[in-house]
Amino acid sequence: GAVVSQHPSRVICKSGTSVKIECRSLDFQATTMFWYRQFPKQSLMLMATSNEGSKATYEQGVEKDKFLINHASLTLSTLTVTSAHPEDSSFYICSARGLGYQETQYFGPGTRLLVL
Amino acid sequence: GQNIDQPTEMTATEGAIVQINCTYQTSGFNGLFWYQQHAGEAPTFLSYNVLDGLEEKGRFSSFLSRSKGYSYLLLKELQMKDSASYLCAVMDSNYQLIWGAGTKLIIKP
Repeated sequence: GAVVSQHPSRVICKSGTSVKIECRSLDFQATTMFWYRQFPKQSLMLMATSNEGSKATYEQGVEKDKFLINHASLTLSTLTVTSAHPEDSSFYICSARGLGYQETQYFGPGTRLLVL
Repeated sequence: GQNIDQPTEMTATEGAIVQINCTYQTSGFNGLFWYQQHAGEAPTFLSYNVLDGLEEKGRFSSFLSRSKGYSYLLLKELQMKDSASYLCAVMDSNYQLIWGAGTKLIIKP
């Protein structure tokens, strides 16, 4: 299957700081990337969908000014958690989909964020 | 509303066979996916069904009946490493994935 990388895999930061997470599709062009959040023992929660070159579409209840998404190229999307707070501590996972709408989403390995 | 139902938890014995069911009600249908997620890790793709019938891939098989809004994932010759959550997801008419809550599969020796 296709390969999606995510960096960093783990980050600890102080409350009030910003954290940037990168998601890259390594062997295919990802026209669409998805950002998910997963709290312990809970389901995946879609935060936003981003298409290359356009603004991200955020799910209801997700603050677009707090979770900044940039999808600058067909292989890179970034999620910036601004002014992070302890309640933002979670497992953030990106996934990428190729050119076809029905193509499979492949997931990155995830980023574990801990805000102190 | 859109809904994906799958059992919360199942237990099976090493070497046995287990079937994880998934029923769905979505606005449109553009395929059904099964993913495996080990604790603390991201999901990995297992299978994709868009036509009715059985798709076999090694020890894992996935079945789809669109008329019944039903799918199952069949795992044969269970191994301890198969202990994980199994996520069912349906792509709706807007090509968005609707996720089930996942089935936690516990394998006992």
